Amino acid sequence: GEDVEQSLFLSVREGDSSVINCTYTDSSSTYLYWYKQEPGAGLQLLTYIFSNMDMKQDQRLTVLLNKKDKHLSLRIADTQTGDSAIYFCAEKGANFGNEKLTFGTGTRLTIIP
Amino acid sequence: DSGVTQTPKHLITATGQRVTLRCSPRSGDLSVYWYQQSLDQGLQFLIQYYNGEERAKGNILERFSAQQFPDLHSELNLSSLELGDSALYFCASSVGWNTEAFFGQGTRLTVV
Repeated sequence: GEDVEQSLFLSVREGDSSVINCTYTDSSSTYLYWYKQEPGAGLQLLTYIFSNMDMKQDQRLTVLLNKKDKHLSLRIADTQTGDSAIYFCAEKGANFGNEKLTFGTGTRLTIIP
Repeated sequence: DSGVTQTPKHLITATGQRVTLRCSPRSGDLSVYWYQQSLDQGLQFLIQYYNGEERAKGNILERFSAQQFPDLHSELNLSSLELGDSALYFCASSVGWNTEAFFGQGTRLTVV
């Protein structure tokens, strides 16, 4: 079955880059997503990448996908205090009737002033 | 604001009771997903509807049921509630079955 893994915690100094990593098991995944959850809030879709892409850049966010190793990363440039949150990666199944998102455990990003 | 509306935001109820959570998807979105977020289980997929029909089922208990109405809003019914059902319940919607999903703010259910 599908499984998505992330490290639980990451601390980064303000102004540095943050890199959050994720590994997944379903090689048929079509889309891979990054969601952000701030305390007491819902899940905000940050970005996504289609499985035939290696990289996607969106302002301060860069997503890298290594399909061979089933490894996904999210780089946040110039990390700010407002970036403090839990970041979830998720994969979507490709098969008909299996379009659910499978989420990782989430990585709690803490910004050090 | 994702455009997905969930009501109520908070719900406190007693064990053994039944509650209904409501979700209004983004305008034009045909797919609705329900997820449960708890500290010990993380984000778990419960069920998906597409244009009124059940599309996929996840780890949804038999005490829970859902439906999607002709106007595309969805309701999640939780019955015979137990303390362990306390969690944040999210609804998400997407245009089609294979497009990005946008989440609502969630309903925080506390069973006492």
